[in-house]
Amino acid sequence: EDQVTQSPEALRLQEGESSSLNCSYTVSGLRGLFWYRQDPGKGPEFLFTLYSAGEEKEKERLKATLTKKESFLHITAPKPEDSATYLCAVQARGSSNTGKLIFGQGTTLQVKP
Amino acid sequence: KAGVTQTPRYLIKTRGQQVTLSCSPISGHRSVSWYQQTPGQGLQFLFEYFSETQRNKGNFPGRFSGRQFSNSRSEMNVSTLELGDSALYLCASSLGVGETQYFGPGTRLLVL
Repeated sequence: EDQVTQSPEALRLQEGESSSLNCSYTVSGLRGLFWYRQDPGKGPEFLFTLYSAGEEKEKERLKATLTKKESFLHITAPKPEDSATYLCAVQARGSSNTGKLIFGQGTTLQVKP
Repeated sequence: KAGVTQTPRYLIKTRGQQVTLSCSPISGHRSVSWYQQTPGQGLQFLFEYFSETQRNKGNFPGRFSGRQFSNSRSEMNVSTLELGDSALYLCASSLGVGETQYFGPGTRLLVL
């Protein structure tokens, strides 16, 4: 069964304190791995798509990496405005052509000034 | 470019009623997917549509249905509402099947 597990569930950081969020996945052939950010009461906001092991993508203070079993979202020198829930999702390469996303439970990040 | 829009943003219904939610995708996007988000289950896939055809359906009862129109707009319907249907319903659009999905703000449904 395709599955995504994110850790930790919650993370509190001081402003400027770098850290990493983990996303472990088991899927019958990975088509793509996606990172989203979700603020309370809003829809998920797209951050990154990764397709193959070894791939890395960066945007401001965020960097996403991918291996064959997991992905990391590295946050460098975070600011309070980075506080949000970060969601990881995978698309499986199955026999049917589908874009169905399988989500993890998310990591809620709080950055204190 | 306008993002994904969903209407209404908030709904309060009572058990047994039915509800229809609407989604307008990003201009040019032909694929629309629906997800249910609850605190306990997280984000769960409901359906996926492309060119007015349902491409995939999640593990939800038959009370949940949807459709897509020729202009790519989509609706989902939930009949005979139950308390457990209270959730944030999210619509996402993409250029095609398997492409990056962009989410709307969601419709918050409360069933009393």
